[in-house]
Amino acid sequence: DAGVIQSPRHEVTEMGQEVTLRCKPISGHDYLFWYRQTMMRGLELLIYFNNNVPIDDSGMPEDRFSAKMPNASFSTLKIQPSEPRDSAVYFCASSLGLAKTQYFGPGTRLLVL
Amino acid sequence: AQSVAQPEDQVNVAEGNPLTVKCTYSVSGNPYLFWYVQYPNRGLQFLLKYITGDNLVKGSYGFEAEFNKSQTSFHLKKPSALVSDSALYFCAVSPNQAGTALIFGKGTTLSVSS
Repeated sequence: DAGVIQSPRHEVTEMGQEVTLRCKPISGHDYLFWYRQTMMRGLELLIYFNNNVPIDDSGMPEDRFSAKMPNASFSTLKIQPSEPRDSAVYFCASSLGLAKTQYFGPGTRLLVL
Repeated sequence: AQSVAQPEDQVNVAEGNPLTVKCTYSVSGNPYLFWYVQYPNRGLQFLLKYITGDNLVKGSYGFEAEFNKSQTSFHLKKPSALVSDSALYFCAVSPNQAGTALIFGKGTTLSVSS
């Protein structure tokens, strides 16, 4: 199994631009999670999906952030417009069950100038 | 509120010495407990978990953790530290309640010196 796949691995963009992060979960997993990691705030859960349906998006910082999961093998996290304070590492994780072990992707390191 | 605490931001040990990374939690019911490790520029990697049964859980790379229900703790341990164990360690708890995802601690940086 290839594990959770994220792309791009690195993204540098200018303030105001749209950013789209992509995630392919482990095949067969029914939960998908998006996290953000910064030095100041640590690891934050942004949103999670169950069977492609968003369940809890209370961690999404503001309306500039949106996430979709059009099918069981693909999810996107979009930031529009991006701001410098969005600079962080964004992780995607998947699991087979909500209380079960989550498997993380390698992350996308985002820098907004 | 349900929470996980890792009271130490950093733990420093010498190679060959035993190490302990502490974790306490505050959740109701019978939680599931996890430890993850993050190496620089990598994603979080699962180390071990406690679901039920024996309070001492063994995981990857020689790590183990002891579940203590009365003290609501789940400390990570290793008898002999390696320099390569230096990383960021996260404790996580699942309240095992419908609709509640894993709650992660803030992480503890382990530094093993040679």
